[in-house]
Amino acid sequence: EDQVTQSPEALRLQEGESSSLNCSYTVSGLRGLFWYRQDPGKGPEFLFTLYSAGEEKEKERLKATLTKKESFLHITAPKPEDSATYLCAVQARSGYSTLTFGKGTMLLVSP
Amino acid sequence: GAVVSQHPSWVICKSGTSVKIECRSLDFQATTMFWYRQFPKQSLMLMATSNEGSKATYEQGVEKDKFLINHASLTLSTLTVTSAHPEDSSFYICSARGDMNTEAFFGQGTRLTVV
Repeated sequence: EDQVTQSPEALRLQEGESSSLNCSYTVSGLRGLFWYRQDPGKGPEFLFTLYSAGEEKEKERLKATLTKKESFLHITAPKPEDSATYLCAVQARSGYSTLTFGKGTMLLVSP
Repeated sequence: GAVVSQHPSWVICKSGTSVKIECRSLDFQATTMFWYRQFPKQSLMLMATSNEGSKATYEQGVEKDKFLINHASLTLSTLTVTSAHPEDSSFYICSARGDMNTEAFFGQGTRLTVV
């Protein structure tokens, strides 16, 4: 069974204080690992897809990296508007290729 | 990214009534659509997967007669919660994907409250 564990559950940062969110996964053949951002009462917003170990992707203050066991979402000099829940999900090569989500990391960035 | 529109964004209904939620892909053809349920501070739980023109595949523990899914076209899927009860109150989110190798994009979600 595919599993995704995200840590920490919650993270409080000061504006400008860089940090990383972790996503550990086990999957029977990884097709892709996805990062989403979810604001309260909204659907998830797509951020990145990573397909193979060593791959990195960046978007503004966010950078996602991938190894064979985990992914990191690095946030550089965060701003209050980066406050949200960040969700990680994996897609296996087999079956219907549905996404298995972690519980998310709730990020709060204070001014 | 691609746009998925979900409607309504919130609905309140009486126990015993049925509620229909629509999910539309606005600028791409959605070969596959997914329906999720999310409880407060919990992750998204997949309810069912539907491919255009065929019956939905439900996850274990999800009652297919209670949660009716129709994926009649490549741009529209609907979820009908039949004979709703207060325990069905939740946040329902749809997702759409063009093919197996593309990202899935999510709707805005529907907050269902059954009174």
